[in-house]
Amino acid sequence: GQNIDQPTEMTATEGAIVQINCTYQTSGFNGLFWYQQHAGEAPTFLSYNVLDGLEEKGRFSSFLSRSKGYSYLLLKELQMKDSASYLCAILDSNYQLIWGAGTKLIIKP
Amino acid sequence: GAVVSQHPSWVICKSGTSVKIECRSLDFQATTMFWYRQFPKQSLMLMATSNEGSKATYEQGVEKDKFLINHASLTLSTLTVTSAHPEDSSFYICSARLAGPIFEYEQYFGPGTRLTVT
Repeated sequence: GQNIDQPTEMTATEGAIVQINCTYQTSGFNGLFWYQQHAGEAPTFLSYNVLDGLEEKGRFSSFLSRSKGYSYLLLKELQMKDSASYLCAILDSNYQLIWGAGTKLIIKP
Repeated sequence: GAVVSQHPSWVICKSGTSVKIECRSLDFQATTMFWYRQFPKQSLMLMATSNEGSKATYEQGVEKDKFLINHASLTLSTLTVTSAHPEDSSFYICSARLAGPIFEYEQYFGPGTRLTVT
């Protein structure tokens, strides 16, 4: 079966660093996406990994290990506006996006 | 670039009526569009995948006669919720897929439509 696991909720402090993990077991793998979703809004694209390693984009970085079925999203210099849900999604062998349940990130001053 | 719009952004309707939601790709052609539903504090649930000019492919458990999807052009897909009931109240989000050299199969999302059935 298809399975994507993310922590349900995390709390971090403004200015700090937080790492959101995602583990997966899917039928095939054609890439992993991270999306950010603020409450009441649609998801917005953050990153895409298809090869192992770290992709850095400003304050956000995403890491992938295909052999371990593992990814993380690293957020640095946290700002209050980073409070949102972060969704991990896998592009499976049929090029369908399989969505994780999302991690709600709460930033405290 | 790669902007997707949805209309309306929110709608309130009476039980038993039908509601149509439009999804448009504004600056690109989308051969594939997706319709999602999201209940409060839950993740996205794919309802159906539609390809321009062909019938939509519905996910298991989604009633195709209740949720009518039309993808008449490369820039427009519509979702019609027929005979809406209060349990259909949800956040409906469309997305369009843009095949490109870097972010192949990335989906661009519309802003969503909040449907409340009274």
